[in-house]
Amino acid sequence: NAGVTQTPKFRVLKTGQSMTLLCAQDMNHEYMYWYRQDPGMGLRLIHYSVGEGTTAKGEVPDGYNVSRLKKQNFLLGLESAAPSQTSVYFCASSYPNTGFQPQHFGDGTRLSIL
Amino acid sequence: AQKVTQAQTEISVVEKEDVTLDCVYETRDTTYYLFWYKQPPSGELVFLIRRNSFDEQNEISGRYSWNFQKSTSSFNFTITASQVVDSAVYFCALSDPSSGSARQLTFGSGTQLTVLP
Repeated sequence: NAGVTQTPKFRVLKTGQSMTLLCAQDMNHEYMYWYRQDPGMGLRLIHYSVGEGTTAKGEVPDGYNVSRLKKQNFLLGLESAAPSQTSVYFCASSYPNTGFQPQHFGDGTRLSIL
Repeated sequence: AQKVTQAQTEISVVEKEDVTLDCVYETRDTTYYLFWYKQPPSGELVFLIRRNSFDEQNEISGRYSWNFQKSTSSFNFTITASQVVDSAVYFCALSDPSSGSARQLTFGSGTQLTVLP
């Protein structure tokens, strides 16, 4: 079972460059999430989606955009990368969530902005 | 607003010792859910347990046990007879209605557990 797959696993960018992180899940989950993990701060929600074609802002959305054109994919974009966006990014998915459904996480993408 | 506090940043124990990881949460809702996740050195996040606010029964799974106490807003995690493979960062997380329509998780800052051989 692949579960939640994130690509790439590592990336180094220069300030001002753009890139897209891809998240794919094969569990037919409706809900998908993007988090960032920074030292000493746990995980913070960037954007999320409750279904194909819908997205919403999380706690720290500035500097990021997302798209959910297909149910199984959730893309996170950085239009103009900044050093403050150096982080580990996690994608997660779940069934429609009244709170009880656990989120299933990918292995993370380690992104460094120079 | 909801908040999760894991006051222990790092804990180090010797193999076979018992260790308890603390989690204190804040929420104004009466219905909420609590989770523990494990992040081993390889980096992935592994779901361990969930608990809803109406179920205060403690749970045991092998060497792992969880103590949920609403009176103190705590959801502590104990590892009995710790092993080197238990070395990881452990996150406590909260989901409640004020989290938004997708019930996104609010995470604590994590506790780094190191089990020495």
